[in-house]
Amino acid sequence: DGGITQSPKYLFRKEGQNVTLSCEQNLNHDAMYWYRQDPGQGLRLIYYSQIVNDFQKGDIAEGYSVSREKKESFPLTVTSAQKNPTAFYLCASQTLGMGTEAFFGQGTRLTVV
Amino acid sequence: AQTVTQSQPEMSVQEAETVTLSCTYDTSESDYYLFWYKQPPSRQMILVIRQEAYKQQNATENRFSVNFQKAAKSFSLKISDSQLGDAAMYFCASPEGIQGAQKLVFGQGTRLTINP
Repeated sequence: DGGITQSPKYLFRKEGQNVTLSCEQNLNHDAMYWYRQDPGQGLRLIYYSQIVNDFQKGDIAEGYSVSREKKESFPLTVTSAQKNPTAFYLCASQTLGMGTEAFFGQGTRLTVV
Repeated sequence: AQTVTQSQPEMSVQEAETVTLSCTYDTSESDYYLFWYKQPPSRQMILVIRQEAYKQQNATENRFSVNFQKAAKSFSLKISDSQLGDAAMYFCASPEGIQGAQKLVFGQGTRLTINP
């Protein structure tokens, strides 16, 4: 089954810790994205990547880092510099080109304890 | 910067009735697409319908259709014969960029409740 998989579903972080959210896709998509979702707000773009070993900052990249060493994988690290990391995080992938559908994972709920 | 606005935080409709969700947007692109995504309780976003700005005919997917008014920059979603499974958050979205990665700009969302 082709799709996009995020893990874990729930993640708890202590103050000052870095945590990494996993995102894997087997759709052979070139583009991958990380979005953050807060209550009452739409999704906001954190980082995106169009090709292996290249990625770009989105609107709210501060306190986050990513890597794209393989086409299938785009992990997101939430660093201790992110002051308010509690949120729902969604990963998406897409073929390049206008109007193509973005496919989303099931998300990771991150909570700071 | 591109903006997408959904002015209805919540909507409700009786089962089998019709409901319309509103969306306005602002873009500097000459050709673009617009999307409606659905986020059910499982929280996985699913594409409902898409519209290319150059096409005059409004897009339709079964019970879902759009009313696209380009001059007014309005892109509403009509759901006919509402079903309990339609209950979800609905997001209007517009991609930023013409080539390469299509970074989606989302509205704030509308929570749709279906009353049996």
